[in-house]
Amino acid sequence: EAQVTQNPRYLITVTGKKLTVTCSQNMNHEYMSWYRQDPGLGLRQIYYSMNVEVTDKGDVPEGYKVSRKEKRNFPLILESPSPNQTSLYFCASTEGPGGISPLHFGNGTRLTVT
Amino acid sequence: GQQVMQIPQYQHVQEGEDFTTYCNSSTTLSNIQWYKQRPGGHPVFLIQLVKSGEVKKQKRLTFQFGEAKKNSSLHITATQTTDVGTYFCAVRMDSSYKLIFGSGTRLLVRP
Repeated sequence: EAQVTQNPRYLITVTGKKLTVTCSQNMNHEYMSWYRQDPGLGLRQIYYSMNVEVTDKGDVPEGYKVSRKEKRNFPLILESPSPNQTSLYFCASTEGPGGISPLHFGNGTRLTVT
Repeated sequence: GQQVMQIPQYQHVQEGEDFTTYCNSSTTLSNIQWYKQRPGGHPVFLIQLVKSGEVKKQKRLTFQFGEAKKNSSLHITATQTTDVGTYFCAVRMDSSYKLIFGSGTRLLVRP
């Protein structure tokens, strides 16, 4: 089954404790991205990757890092989480460049930073 | 910056009533996608519109792209409780490979 798998689904952590949210897709998509969803703000892009070792900032990259060492994986790293990063996070992959092909989303990770 | 306005923010309807959400941009769009997110779920792609004036239908859902390619609408005829969720538009501006999401319209349906 074609899917985007995110882990964990829920995460509660404390300020400053490094964390990683994993994302994996089995569709051989080149393009992957991370979004955060906050009430009234829709989905905002954090980072995206057009291929292995090619990543770029989205609209709200501050406080986040990503890596793309393999085509299927695109982890999101919070080196020093802060309470304003409490949010619902989605990983997505797509066949072609952003905005041309449909996005396939993971199930989401609800992060709480206290 | 580039923005897309989506209205209304919320809509609460009686089952059987119609529902429409609108997506508006001040900039000409290359294409627009629509997504549905069920409560507690993730966004799921519904459709993509590319051509000026394009109209597409999926059962009770009708999607329209404006003639000037600056706005779009999603209309649901005779809503059902299964239609509950948040509907997002996502737009791509000309000369861009970036999708910008609207803030979404949350639809609630009274049985």
